Amino acid sequence: GAVVSQHPSWVICKSGTSVKIECRSLDFQATTMFWYRQFPKQSLMLMATSNEGSKATYEQGVEKDKFLINHASLTLSTLTVTSAHPEDSSFYICSARTPNTEAFFGQGTRLTVV
Amino acid sequence: AQTVTQSQPEMSVQEAETVTLSCTYDTSESDYYLFWYKQPPSRQMILVIRQEAYKQQNATENRFSVNFQKAAKSFSLKISDSQLGDAAMYFCAYRSRYGNKLVFGAGTILRVKS
Repeated sequence: GAVVSQHPSWVICKSGTSVKIECRSLDFQATTMFWYRQFPKQSLMLMATSNEGSKATYEQGVEKDKFLINHASLTLSTLTVTSAHPEDSSFYICSARTPNTEAFFGQGTRLTVV
Repeated sequence: AQTVTQSQPEMSVQEAETVTLSCTYDTSESDYYLFWYKQPPSRQMILVIRQEAYKQQNATENRFSVNFQKAAKSFSLKISDSQLGDAAMYFCAYRSRYGNKLVFGAGTILRVKS
């Protein structure tokens, strides 16, 4: 099956710094990528949807200036958490799909802000 | 807006036994897809099974089968001959036929006892 690779798997950063998470579709061209946030034992909360070459569409309540999403190519999307604070600590998951496939998920990134 | 409800926060099953996870959804659409995803302790989301709403036949994938009741808006997952590796959080999800977004339920934690 198709593979979506997310990097890093875990990251610790200091409060006030920015951190970038990458999501790559390794063997297919992803026209659409999604970013989710997940708290322990809870469901996935969609943060934003991005289409290659266009601006991301953010869900209500998600700060677009804090969570910068770039989908510069058909195989790469990045999520940058700017000026991170401890409350941004969470598990972030990306997924990618084409018009003819279902979404494939990355392995997730655990972000800890200290 | 569509909603997905999983009313069982946790379920337990004895190894080799059968367990059924419940899911109901609400939509005004007639054409859509329903999914069950598995999230093991590694937190990698894995697609277990997919059902197309316009198909009356229930989907099956080896030990996994669904009971799709369109009129009742119910979509349960049956796991036969449960194995220790089935222990995970299971999410029911909905997607409009021509939409991009997945709408997830709250999830059900499945524990498998040996």
